[in-house]
Amino acid sequence: QVQLKESGPGLVQPSRTLSLTCTVSGFSLTSYGVSWVRQPPGKGLEWIAAIWSGGSTDYNSALKSRLSISRDTSKSQVLLKMNSLQTEDTAMYFCARRPFDYWGQGVMVTVSS
Amino acid sequence: DIQMTQSPSSLPASLGDRVTITCRASQDIGNYLRWFQQKPGKSPRLMIYGATNLAAGVPSRFSGSRSGSDYSLTINSLESEDMAIYYCLQHNEYPLTFGSGTKLEIK
Repeated sequence: QVQLKESGPGLVQPSRTLSLTCTVSGFSLTSYGVSWVRQPPGKGLEWIAAIWSGGSTDYNSALKSRLSISRDTSKSQVLLKMNSLQTEDTAMYFCARRPFDYWGQGVMVTVSS
Repeated sequence: DIQMTQSPSSLPASLGDRVTITCRASQDIGNYLRWFQQKPGKSPRLMIYGATNLAAGVPSRFSGSRSGSDYSLTINSLESEDMAIYYCLQHNEYPLTFGSGTKLEIK
């Protein structure tokens, strides 16, 4: 069945770079796109970035300069990198298959020294 | 960027009530509108796609509609399991944008 699972460091120091991995199963990354969505504690959802089935990418306008999304189809993984982390980046980070019909359970990222 | 203005932010309601949540798009998004339900500690769940289509496994008491740039999610005969936060999402163009959420709670 379709599954997505996020993984990442949990705690990151301010100004450092965050690397998150979304490992998928039950579908091919060359057939479906994947998006990253985040949710600060007690707040709403924010779309961050997407990589399409053909490999093209799109980014949140406000975060674009700090983001990079890529994929490794051989490993069925989508990778998200965000640099210059700030405390405001503390959030639950989800990956979701486009068209948002399947989501991962999320990974909590805390930015703190 | 397209802005999605969602209202109300909080909606107290009683079991058995009929409730409606609305999102207004700042630009034309056609029917590229989805609705999600999120319960505490859980991932969002797709409820409605294409503005009016029920996602797989979603109870028929949920429905979506559109009037111009206003998109609505209606729940008929509210049940306790429907208490959650609901979000709309426009996916007509990138960057994708969510509404701010509506917390549905028992009155």
